[in-house]
Amino acid sequence: AQSVTQPDIHITVSEGASLELRCNYSYGATPYLFWYVQSPGQGLQLLLKYFSGDTLVQGIKGFEAEFKRSQSSFNLRKPSVHWSDAAEYFCAVGPALQGAQKLVFGQGTRLTINP
Amino acid sequence: DAGITQSPRHKVTETGTPVTLRCHQTENHRYMYWYRQDPGHGLRLIHYSYGVKDTDKGEVSDGYSVSRSKTEDFLLTLESATSSQTSVYFCAIGSSPGNEQFFGPGTRLTVL
Repeated sequence: AQSVTQPDIHITVSEGASLELRCNYSYGATPYLFWYVQSPGQGLQLLLKYFSGDTLVQGIKGFEAEFKRSQSSFNLRKPSVHWSDAAEYFCAVGPALQGAQKLVFGQGTRLTINP
Repeated sequence: DAGITQSPRHKVTETGTPVTLRCHQTENHRYMYWYRQDPGHGLRLIHYSYGVKDTDKGEVSDGYSVSRSKTEDFLLTLESATSSQTSVYFCAIGSSPGNEQFFGPGTRLTVL
């Protein structure tokens, strides 16, 4: 069965520090991979996506993620976090097929930024 | 931002009553989805639609039904609400190719 694991429920980093959020997936076929961010009381916003090609993908707000097929991972990184990055982050996986995308989400990682 | 609205944004209801949530899009996207978000579970797919009158079940469809009579509207109905359906419900839309989904603002539903 498809699954996504985000091992860290809550992470706290200092403003200006680097960030890495982990995502591991289990999927029977070639996946599409996504990272979404959710600010409190808001919907989800797409940060970046991986479909194919270069395994290092750039997203909005200075985020990047690296797809590692051998490790079934798609970790999200940012070199220097800002207080406005405090939010919940979700990794999701879907089938690399045309048609409806039945996404499977991880449990989320809540990011707190210390001033 | 993708043109997606959800109504109502907040609702409190009692156990056993029917509830309908509406998702409306102005993007003319083919695919529409309903998810629920609960602490510790992330988002889980309830139902989805791949066209007018074409719908299918997701991971947690028991107790829910959907309808899509127009491209722009996707309705989620709780036939007889239970306290376990207290949640935040998100609608999403998507097109193919590309396949990323765009999410609405959510509806917070409380079943007493």
